[in-house]
Amino acid sequence: KQEVTQIPAALSVPEGENLVLNCSFTDSAIYNLQWFRQDPGKGLTSLLLIQSSQREQTSGRLNASLDKSSGRSTLYIAASQPGDSATYLCAVRPFPGNTPLVFGKGTRLSVIA
Amino acid sequence: DVKVTQSSRYLVKRTGEKVFLECVQDMDHENMFWYRQDPGLGLRLIYFSYDVKMKEKGDIPEGYSVSREKKERFSLILESASTNQTSMYLCASSSQQDLYQPQHFGDGTRLSIL
Repeated sequence: KQEVTQIPAALSVPEGENLVLNCSFTDSAIYNLQWFRQDPGKGLTSLLLIQSSQREQTSGRLNASLDKSSGRSTLYIAASQPGDSATYLCAVRPFPGNTPLVFGKGTRLSVIA
Repeated sequence: DVKVTQSSRYLVKRTGEKVFLECVQDMDHENMFWYRQDPGLGLRLIYFSYDVKMKEKGDIPEGYSVSREKKERFSLILESASTNQTSMYLCASSSQQDLYQPQHFGDGTRLSIL
C-alpha cells in the first residue's frame, strides 16, 4: 500500500531564505505527484503537478522535482516571504491512474519577517 | 475559473441529527471526493464517486453515506451525527478524461457536533 511521508512536520525560517520541503513515497509506481498549499481553515490549492515521466516543474518562485526511482520529491521555494506561510501537502496518484490520491500529512511552514 | 463550492463554511449540529454536506463543481468533472481532515491525522478519504449514481468507499466510510444524483453535485450524509464526527470536511473533484489535470478542492466545511 502506498504511503507518503513529509518531514519535517513544521519548519520556521527567516524571510528571504531559500528552502526545500521534502516528500517521500514507498511505491515508485506512480502516475503523477501533486503539491498543494493549504492556508489555515481553508481548502487545498494546487501548486504544481509533475507527471511520472518528468523530472521537475516550475511556477514562479516554486520548483518541484521528482525522483521516482528513489521515491522522493522536493518543493523548492526561493526567496521566501511571510505570505508563503501555510501548510504544504504532497500527494501521489498511484497507477493505473484513475485512482484516489494518497496524501502526506503536510509540512507547516512559517516565514518570519 | 474552476470552482468547487461547498454549501457551508461552518455548521453546528447536535448528536443524533442527520446532517447533509453539499458540494457542487462547475468543471464537468467525472470524479468527486469527500475527505475529512483532523490535526495529526491528515486528510482521510471517506467516499468517492467516478460517475453519477456510483460510489466507492474510501478509508473511513463508517457513519457516512453519499449521494450523487447529478454529475456536478456530490452530497455527504451523516446518518446520525456523533461528536467524533466533529471535523473539517473537504470536497474535491478531478477529471477522469484528463489525468494530467490537478485535483481541485472546495474551501471546506468546519462541522461541530455538540
